[in-house]
Amino acid sequence: KQEVTQIPAALSVPEGENLVLNCSFTDSAIYNLQWFRQDPGKGLTSLLLIQSSQREQTSGRLNASLDKSSGRSTLYIAASQPGDSATYLCGLLPSGTYKYIFGTGTRLKVLA
Amino acid sequence: GAVVSQHPSRVICKSGTSVKIECRSLDFQATTMFWYRQFPKQSLMLMATSNEGSKATYEQGVEKDKFLINHASLTLSTLTVTSAHPEDSSFYICSARYRGNYNEQFFGPGTRLTVL
Repeated sequence: KQEVTQIPAALSVPEGENLVLNCSFTDSAIYNLQWFRQDPGKGLTSLLLIQSSQREQTSGRLNASLDKSSGRSTLYIAASQPGDSATYLCGLLPSGTYKYIFGTGTRLKVLA
Repeated sequence: GAVVSQHPSRVICKSGTSVKIECRSLDFQATTMFWYRQFPKQSLMLMATSNEGSKATYEQGVEKDKFLINHASLTLSTLTVTSAHPEDSSFYICSARYRGNYNEQFFGPGTRLTVL
């Protein structure tokens, strides 16, 4: 059974730091993996989608990597800003299914 | 492209009333739409899957008579929470996929329901 884990559950860093958020999964048979941002009381915003055949995706200060063999994905945020404060969710679509499975998220706080 | 919207974004209702949430695919025809629910500090869980023109398939533990799903067109699915109770307060998110692209789902922004 596929399980998705995000560690740490919460993270607080000073502004300007580069940081890495982790997502691990138990079954490497996936179609894709997606990172989302969720602001308090607000909706989901898709940040980066990595297809199964890809190793990484980049958008601005964000870089997401995927290593299926080790069951890990990381979201790298460069030069963090207070506006990056939010919950970051990792979700993936296992092969042979239509059910997205999500982690519980990492709550990030970037201090000014 | 592949934008999914939800309406309303937030809704507050009294216990016992029914609430309808809309999910629309704005620039593609969604053959399948999915409804997820997120309780505080928990991950999103799939509630049901709806294919256009057919009955929804509900996940185990989700009451189909309480959460009515209608997918009457290729661009619109609705979730109606009937006789809402405070324990139904949650964040509801829909996603959609189109024919020929079964490996990708496009997520709406979500609707936060608060039942008083």
